[in-house]
Amino acid sequence: QKEVEQNSGPLSVPEGAIASLNCTYSDRGSQSFFWYRQYSGKSPELIMSIYSNGDKEDGRFTAQLNKASQYVSLLIRDSQPSDSATYLCVPTRDDKIIFGKGTRLHILP
Amino acid sequence: DAGITQSPRHKVTETGTPVTLRCHQTENHRYMYWYRQDPGHGLRLIHYSYGVKDTDKGEVSDGYSVSRSKTEDFLLTLESATSSQTSVYFCAISGEFSGANVLTFGAGSRLTVL
Repeated sequence: QKEVEQNSGPLSVPEGAIASLNCTYSDRGSQSFFWYRQYSGKSPELIMSIYSNGDKEDGRFTAQLNKASQYVSLLIRDSQPSDSATYLCVPTRDDKIIFGKGTRLHILP
Repeated sequence: DAGITQSPRHKVTETGTPVTLRCHQTENHRYMYWYRQDPGHGLRLIHYSYGVKDTDKGEVSDGYSVSRSKTEDFLLTLESATSSQTSVYFCAISGEFSGANVLTFGAGSRLTVL
């Protein structure tokens, strides 16, 4: 079983709509959850972190965590063309940080 | 990429030659990581370090070795490069000041093995 599973996409979303990115993980001991964004040819950068069940909002971004279902998601409201990137889900328990393959998001103008 | 630099940024080498990639940080972070990124595979952890002279294997460590003799430097060595090691290599750091497990990445090193 893969440690982190994400739909590779591409996920195409019209500009102004809500983009929903999903991730499931296998390690029930995961305690911290992160979303990174990576533009083509660039390094990943942290956009959201979440540590407890429920929702966490930061501007247009909302991270959702359900540990019982081993599921974490990222919602992007009012999607902009600049949101077109690959989004990487990272659940972590200890020092060994494993990434999902990421979901490519394409915002349609 | 402030506080973390990778060198070289680009390298072309031949099969069988040794290659060393360097990651240098000025943040005094405890943890340092090496990842490789390939199309269809995402980011895969090669090795990581949790302190000077303390390292551990990641998902794809075969064919790679690492060393950390100083807090600021983490070296990744390919003893005998193969074409399958053609990739983009990213170094990342994390520490107490940035938040546990929060990674900051270098700009990447593109390695081509002919």
